[in-house]
Amino acid sequence: EDKVVQSPLSLVVHEGDTVTLNCSYEVTNFRSLLWYKQEKKAPTFLFMLTSSGIEKKSGRLSSILDKKELFSILNITATQTGDSAVYLCAVEAGANSKLTFGKGITLSVRP
Amino acid sequence: EAGVTQSPTHLIKTRGQQATLRCSPISGHTSVYWYQQALGLGLQFLLWYDEGEERNRGNFPPRFSGRQFPNYSSELNVNALELEDSALYLCASSLVLGSNRDSPSYEQYFGPGTRLTVT
Repeated sequence: EDKVVQSPLSLVVHEGDTVTLNCSYEVTNFRSLLWYKQEKKAPTFLFMLTSSGIEKKSGRLSSILDKKELFSILNITATQTGDSAVYLCAVEAGANSKLTFGKGITLSVRP
Repeated sequence: EAGVTQSPTHLIKTRGQQATLRCSPISGHTSVYWYQQALGLGLQFLLWYDEGEERNRGNFPPRFSGRQFPNYSSELNVNALELEDSALYLCASSLVLGSNRDSPSYEQYFGPGTRLTVT
């Protein structure tokens, strides 16, 4: 059975800190890894990673995938209170492109 | 541009009943996805519809079913409700890019969700 594990489960930091969120996976026939930010209810798409070692960047957020070690990290630099959210990692795998989500990492950024 | 809409916002049912949840995608989007977010279990993929057809299904029993209408809106039906079906049900929509209709697009736009409570 496909598995996606995120760590830590929750994190509290102060504004300006840099955080690293982890996602490891065990899936059959990996296709891509995705990161979402969930505030209140609806997740919003952040990144899609398919190739190892290529960093995706969007402002203060960046992410990289290691297909050999089967993990990805999401970095947020100079955190702001608006970064407080649940960060979800999902892996697309298999011939039918099944999506498996991790349980999410709750990030709280204190002023 | 209007986002994905879902109705109702909240739904309370008793065990054994049926629930129907509705989703309207962003105008122009042909794909609709349904997810269940239960406490402690994270977000789990339920169903993917594109152009009126079911394209993929998660590991859920057959009492979870749905359909997509010609206007691309979608319904999720849950029959014989069980207590553990209590969850937030999220719908998302996307375009399917290019001619490759076998892979979903992950630039999915999510709706606000329907909170289903089974008592």
